[in-house]
Amino acid sequence: DIEMTQSPSSLSAAVGDRGTITCRASQRISTYLNWYQQKPGKAPKLLINAASNLQSGVPSRFSGSGSGTDFTLTISSLQPEDFATYYCQQSYSTPYTFGQGTKLEI
Amino acid sequence: EVQLVESGGGLVQPGGSLRLSCVASGFTISNNYMNWVRQAPGKGLEWVSVIYNDGSTRYADSVKGRFTISRDNSRNTLYLQMNSLRTEDTAVYYCVRGSSWYDYWGQGALVTVSS
Repeated sequence: DIEMTQSPSSLSAAVGDRGTITCRASQRISTYLNWYQQKPGKAPKLLINAASNLQSGVPSRFSGSGSGTDFTLTISSLQPEDFATYYCQQSYSTPYTFGQGTKLEI
Repeated sequence: EVQLVESGGGLVQPGGSLRLSCVASGFTISNNYMNWVRQAPGKGLEWVSVIYNDGSTRYADSVKGRFTISRDNSRNTLYLQMNSLRTEDTAVYYCVRGSSWYDYWGQGALVTVSS
């Protein structure tokens, strides 16, 4: 199975800061990388698919980049509603594995 | 509007069985890949099983031989039959649509395996 490792595991930031989360795959996965946001007690929400494709309705302050083994989720200016847990997921080969999550806190 | 609504969760003893249901609306499940993804309390996300549009299925190693995914096209409903449950199966189980990415998720059904 492909192992996905996110860093950091938690991130403290303030409203208006730039937030950056990285995800590393244990083998090359091209751009088969998705990002999800999860708020407490809620289901995850798809933010970005194929490494950089922003889902409809997701604010443009979110962006994704990377290919191969290293990927980045960037939030250009953190808003109060962005404080949540973020997961990356590879869809290069089954089973489609997730990273362990990054909790973004104020 | 696409909606996925799970039901059937609850408390079950180790070794017991439970069946989860997921009623879909706004799309046809037989034309899509449908998955179950679970999340243990305070933990991350784990893919459990998928049923492809051709009806074939796949399972995570952790549930293979114990869980069965199926669907009823006439009811537009997805199922997960869970047998020989273990304490480590305790989790919120999400019904999820998607092939290479998961675009719609249900609200989740809590399954607790405990004596």
